[in-house]
Amino acid sequence: NAGVTQTPKFQVLKTGQSMTLQCAQDMNHNSMYWYRQDPGMGLRLIYYSASEGTTDKGEVPNGYNVSRLNKREFSLRLESAAPSQTSVYFCASSEALRGPQHFGDGTRLSIL
Amino acid sequence: ILNVEQSPQSLHVQEGDSTNFTCSFPSSNFYALHWYRWETAKSPEALFVMTLNGDEKKKGQISATLNTKEGYSYLYIKGSQPEDSATYLCATSGGGGKLIFGQGTTLQVKP
Repeated sequence: NAGVTQTPKFQVLKTGQSMTLQCAQDMNHNSMYWYRQDPGMGLRLIYYSASEGTTDKGEVPNGYNVSRLNKREFSLRLESAAPSQTSVYFCASSEALRGPQHFGDGTRLSIL
Repeated sequence: ILNVEQSPQSLHVQEGDSTNFTCSFPSSNFYALHWYRWETAKSPEALFVMTLNGDEKKKGQISATLNTKEGYSYLYIKGSQPEDSATYLCATSGGGGKLIFGQGTTLQVKP
């Protein structure tokens, strides 16, 4: 049982490049989330999807777009990467919007 | 935006010591309080979700309490072991369900 799978695990981009981070869960969860984790800042919500077909902004959505492709998959896109987006990105899912969240292993993204 | 604060920021204890951490949050528009355990090089793992004032949850030697009226939750670890070393995160959600995380308390248990 894989849980929440994120790809890639590591990526280096140049400023201005675009990138899509992939996330898939096999727990039949309804809700999915994208967070970024920066030193001294804790986990901050970028976007979330309460259920298939819906997406909403979190605390720090600027510079990102998301797609809830189906119930299993929720992708995060950086259209024009900036150095300020260097971070570790975590995807999570939960059975319901307010339930305990299950996290992937993270994607470490560096933008030069 | 809710402001969630955790204290202390870090804690070093000896094996066998009992310890506790605090999570403070705005008591208005409260829906749920989550605790997560985050070991180095792993991903956060859910410990508890609490919603009712006075709630107490227990998992092995770890327990948590919730006071929604005054806006705080305590996490207790009885008889800490080296494998309890981790960062403990709390997070709270209002009516919309979005979680706001604190910065965590990092616990180091020395053998």
